[in-house]
Amino acid sequence: EAGVAQSPRYKIIEKRQSVAFWCNPISGHATLYWYQQILGQGPKLLIQFQNNGVVDDSQLPKDRFSAERLKGVDSTLKIQPAKLEDSAVYLCASSLFQNTEAFFGQGTRLTVV
Amino acid sequence: AQSVTQPDIHITVSEGASLELRCNYSYGATPYLFWYVQSPGQGLQLLLKYFSGDTLVQGIKGFEAEFKRSQSSFNLRKPSVHWSDAAEYFCALNNAGNMLTFGGGTRLMVKP
Repeated sequence: EAGVAQSPRYKIIEKRQSVAFWCNPISGHATLYWYQQILGQGPKLLIQFQNNGVVDDSQLPKDRFSAERLKGVDSTLKIQPAKLEDSAVYLCASSLFQNTEAFFGQGTRLTVV
Repeated sequence: AQSVTQPDIHITVSEGASLELRCNYSYGATPYLFWYVQSPGQGLQLLLKYFSGDTLVQGIKGFEAEFKRSQSSFNLRKPSVHWSDAAEYFCALNNAGNMLTFGGGTRLMVKP
């Protein structure tokens, strides 16, 4: 069974630029999560989708971050414009249902300079 | 609101010694609990999970965890640590339908 795929693995951008991350969840998984993990901290949930609907985006900085999950499969997370404090690893995860274990991708390490 | 606390930021143990990583949670009902491990540059791998039933759960790589409702804890244990266990460990809570919330993590170092 293929795991959660994320791209790119690494990205370096200048502040005020825009960036997008892509995630392909495990086939058949209805729930998709985007987490932000700042160095030395635990992952923080940014947004959770159930199929193509948003379940929770209370911690998503909506003035600069946006996410979509078209057709309930792949998802993209965008930051525009980026700030220095957005430097982090962005993790995508998926689960079969909302209360089952989540499987994580390898993450995208973003550095904003 | 739900929360997860991992009191120990760093732990160092000798190879072959036993290990216990602490996890305390705050939630009004019985949560779903998880332990994940993260090696450098990698995503998170599930070690074990507790949904209901037997409060002592077995996981991969020889890990186990015990759910104690009275103490709001879900501590991770391993009887004999291997050098390859050096990593960061995260405890997480799911409130049966919504957010999967993580603790701050415990970094485990293993001395030869």
